[in-house]
Amino acid sequence: LAKTTQPISMDSYEGQEVNITCSHNNIATNDYITWYQQFPSQGPRFIIQGYKTKVTNEVASLFIPADRKSSTLSLPRVSLSDTAVYYCLVPSGGYNKLIFGAGTRLAVHP
Amino acid sequence: KAGVTQTPRYLIKTRGQQVTLSCSPISGHRSVSWYQQTPGQGLQFLFEYFSETQRNKGNFPGRFSGRQFSNSRSEMNVSTLELGDSALYLCASQDPSAAEAFFGQGTRLTVV
Repeated sequence: LAKTTQPISMDSYEGQEVNITCSHNNIATNDYITWYQQFPSQGPRFIIQGYKTKVTNEVASLFIPADRKSSTLSLPRVSLSDTAVYYCLVPSGGYNKLIFGAGTRLAVHP
Repeated sequence: KAGVTQTPRYLIKTRGQQVTLSCSPISGHRSVSWYQQTPGQGLQFLFEYFSETQRNKGNFPGRFSGRQFSNSRSEMNVSTLELGDSALYLCASQDPSAAEAFFGQGTRLTVV
């Protein structure tokens, strides 16, 4: 099973771009990389998923280098409401079984 | 369409009692997973059901059990509650062909 490593916490200011990097050194050939966001006392919310190169949606971009051993979630122009925990996940090998690590606690300051 | 609905939202139980939590998935989703979240252990996978069959199970004692009904609604049961079972219990539903799992708001269980 691919294990993920992320920074425990990050701080940013409103309007800045935030990049959160996740390492997954033993990712399998068929594995996708998925990111979730969680606010206190709520369930996680899917942000983005990718396999290689770059994926962009309305809230974030995901950059994956050619070796796929890491990925970077990019949040453009963060606001206070982006303060949350961000999780990077790779498949566990089981049906719809998500293995969450400790995540990255992002604090956005005024 | 309606999201994942978990009931009740909050629950207080006494040690030794049992509890049943309910999850109604998004219409059309046949996969339902359950997770436990605590400050110490984080988010941990409990089990996953698809078409009334448990396909995957996490590393939890047998006191934790679940089931899924023909309408895809799912329940999880915890028997002989311990103080350490106090947690936020989250349910997620997923369309097998999609990447995204949709989580409910959770049930906050407090064992006293």
